[in-house]
Amino acid sequence: QVQLVQSGAEVKKPGASVKVSCKASGYSFDSYGISWVRQVPGQGLEWMGWASVYNDNRKYSEKFQDRVTMTTDTSTATAFMELRSLRSDDTAVYFCARIARGTHSLYDHWGQGTLVTVSS
Amino acid sequence: EIVLTQSPDTLSLSPGERATLSCRASESVRNNFLAWYQQIPGQAPRLLIYGASTRATGIPDRFTGSGSGRDFTLTINRLEPEDFAVYYCQRYGTSAYTFGQGTKLEI
Repeated sequence: QVQLVQSGAEVKKPGASVKVSCKASGYSFDSYGISWVRQVPGQGLEWMGWASVYNDNRKYSEKFQDRVTMTTDTSTATAFMELRSLRSDDTAVYFCARIARGTHSLYDHWGQGTLVTVSS
Repeated sequence: EIVLTQSPDTLSLSPGERATLSCRASESVRNNFLAWYQQIPGQAPRLLIYGASTRATGIPDRFTGSGSGRDFTLTINRLEPEDFAVYYCQRYGTSAYTFGQGTKLEI
């Protein structure tokens, strides 16, 4: 079955960077894109961007454009999201999600989420 | 950018009842590219409905999506205890990434 397994919780200081991984299994990794969505505790879902696995296409939310990089490694079927210059309001659960074929933003499978806490 | 407004913010019902959740878009949603997700606290969202009315794989038929244009509805018949969660609508497609703010369905 399709699974997306994310890396564990992180605690970072303001100004630092975090890199979250998302390991895929149960499907052909290079046939689907991966998106990242975050959720501040107690709040809704916020789209951060998406990355194609089979080419270099990327699209980032304007909100994160200057601080985020999304990459994929087909050799390990793993997607990565790096967020730099962390602030306290970046404290959130970060989800990876598989993008359904034929769309850029319909998410048919999700990772379990990674809590990133930014605190001095 | 299209804004999705969900109502109500919170819906209090009992098991066995019917829930009706609304999602209104600020402009027409092209091709009815409207999805619904369920999120149980502490878990990832789960895709329920796409194309406004098509159930995703494994979703029970007590979940029904309807609507077109600007107004969409998620109906949950015969509420089960596991249905009490937060529900999000989402406009999807190329260059479309908006989520609604969510409706909390509580007992």
